[in-house]
Amino acid sequence: DTGVSQNPRHKITKRGQNVTFRCDPISEHNRLYWYRQTLGQGPEFLTYFQNEAQLEKSRLLSDRFSAERPKGSFSTLEIQRTEQGDSAMYLCASSRQGVNTEAFFGQGTRLTVV
Amino acid sequence: GENVEQHPSTLSVQEGDSAVIKCTYSDSASNYFPWYKQELGKRPQLIIDIRSNVGEKKDQRIAVTLNKTAKHFSLHITETQPEDSAVYFCAASRGAAGNKLTFGGGTRVLVKP
Repeated sequence: DTGVSQNPRHKITKRGQNVTFRCDPISEHNRLYWYRQTLGQGPEFLTYFQNEAQLEKSRLLSDRFSAERPKGSFSTLEIQRTEQGDSAMYLCASSRQGVNTEAFFGQGTRLTVV
Repeated sequence: GENVEQHPSTLSVQEGDSAVIKCTYSDSASNYFPWYKQELGKRPQLIIDIRSNVGEKKDQRIAVTLNKTAKHFSLHITETQPEDSAVYFCAASRGAAGNKLTFGGGTRVLVKP
């Protein structure tokens, strides 16, 4: 599968711990997005990158969340001091630059905070 | 910001019947409206999309219509099959805003054989 790849697929962590997720986009895509999806809901936008520049962050992204894309290729999403409310599926997507280009999603990282 | 409402939240149809899912959006600047299908435990996958310069688009058994004046768009699936059972999400985007998507809440479709 040469699509968007996310690791790990599942993560269980204790409240207060830090976690980091990785996303590898489709190689020729210079846009990368992070979304969060809770059970029974649609994905909610968190942040996006064009190459290595983080161009927009949602108000949903509290100070405990940070995302990076240092070389414009893979991206990491870190959550510090996790809370039970952070439990969700974290989806990454990538797309080519351009107007209204298709976004391809990864399979997500399911985070459970206990 | 953009708000997308989707109805119904669940839809049960008999195999061979049609299914219709409706979405409304709030931002008149939105100009791209994709539909994603998400099977249990899998990634969302684009099934069809429509841009604001088009009123209708069809791809085999799937069609999407857009009414810009009323700010609503709909997904139509004809001759439903059991493999159409999944959760469907509509979304809206302003092309100039980096293509970030605002999703509806999803419709769980069950096709009964």
